[in-house]
Amino acid sequence: NAGVTQTPKFRVLKTGQSMTLLCAQDMNHEYMYWYRQDPGMGLRLIHYSVGEGTTAKGEVPDGYNVSRLKKQNFLLGLESAAPSQTSVYFCASNNRQGQAQHFGDGTRLSIL
Amino acid sequence: SQQGEEDPQALSIQEGENATMNCSYKTSINNLQWYRQNSGRGLVHLILIRSNEREKHSGRLRVTLDTSKKSSSLLITASRAADTASYFCATDVRGGSEKLVFGKGMKLTVNP
Repeated sequence: NAGVTQTPKFRVLKTGQSMTLLCAQDMNHEYMYWYRQDPGMGLRLIHYSVGEGTTAKGEVPDGYNVSRLKKQNFLLGLESAAPSQTSVYFCASNNRQGQAQHFGDGTRLSIL
Repeated sequence: SQQGEEDPQALSIQEGENATMNCSYKTSINNLQWYRQNSGRGLVHLILIRSNEREKHSGRLRVTLDTSKKSSSLLITASRAADTASYFCATDVRGGSEKLVFGKGMKLTVNP
């Protein structure tokens, strides 16, 4: 039982490049979330999904897009990366509003 | 804006001592959760306390909740070096849809 798996673990991009971060969970959870973690800022919610085929904006959605084509996968896309998007990105999932969230180990993204 | 604020922001203690962390929040909640994050890893859920509960225990952890003061505390008894980590409180805000709102976290260092 792997839980929540994020790929890649590390990535360096140049400004303007695009990439997709993948989150996969094997717990059959309905809800999935993407956060970014920056020093002194805690976790900020980017986008979330309450089920397959649904997505919604969180606190800091600008510059990111997401898709939830399959229940187990939640993809986070950066269409044109900017240095301000340098961060550690975490994916999480749970099965019901307000329940404990299960986190992946993060993707460390640097944009030069 | 941040819902939860942990206090102190950093705490350094000796192995065997107790560690107390506090969290204050601003609006009504359904529950409050505590998470731990080891360096370079994702967050791990520790304990959840519902708004109608005042105290909860889990192993060496004791959580209290005072909804009148909008505050919670996490007590770790007989601390160990392995407890060194960052700790976050998160609130399930009443009427706040599917999201948890995380505090900025506090760093606990347990010296052997």
